[in-house]
Amino acid sequence: KQEVTQIPAALSVPEGENLVLNCSFTDSAIYNLQWFRQDPGKGLTSLLLIQSSQREQTSGRLNASLDKSSGRSTLYIAASQPGDSATYLCAVGGTSGSRLTFGEGTQLTVNP
Amino acid sequence: GAVVSQHPSWVICKSGTSVKIECRSLDFQATTMFWYRQFPKQSLMLMATSNEGSKATYEQGVEKDKFLINHASLTLSTLTVTSAHPEDSSFYICSARREVWGHPYEQYFGPGTRLTVT
Repeated sequence: KQEVTQIPAALSVPEGENLVLNCSFTDSAIYNLQWFRQDPGKGLTSLLLIQSSQREQTSGRLNASLDKSSGRSTLYIAASQPGDSATYLCAVGGTSGSRLTFGEGTQLTVNP
Repeated sequence: GAVVSQHPSWVICKSGTSVKIECRSLDFQATTMFWYRQFPKQSLMLMATSNEGSKATYEQGVEKDKFLINHASLTLSTLTVTSAHPEDSSFYICSARREVWGHPYEQYFGPGTRLTVT
């Protein structure tokens, strides 16, 4: 059974700082890995999707990497802004391309 | 493209009543949809996989007679919470899997439905 862990559970940083969120998974036989953002009381916003054959994806100030062999992914946020404050969820897709297994999330606060 | 909607966005019901939540893929067809549940300050837990034209597949520990899923068309899946109790109060999120031949699958998520049972 796939297990996904995110570290840290919470993170508070000053505005402008670069930061890294970590995600680890136990079964390396994955279909893809996806990073989401969730604001309080809201649904999920997809940030980056990395297919199992890819090593990284970039979108604006965000960069996500994937190392299947070690079961790890990182989400790098450059020059953080208060608007980045949210919970960030990592989700791993199984090889059948079906179920997503979510981590517990990292709650990020960027202080002005 | 790839928009998924949910209706209602929030609902309050009395204990013992049933509530139906709709999940629609607006601009693509989805043979497979998923229903997740999220408790406050917790992550999403998969409840069931909804398959068009066939029975849903429920995760271990999810009561299929309590959470009825119907996937009657390629763009609509419904989740009915029967005989709701306060402990069923939660945030329910659906997703739809878009399948394009020759391309990897991708799931698109709805905005969620907040259910409060009084």
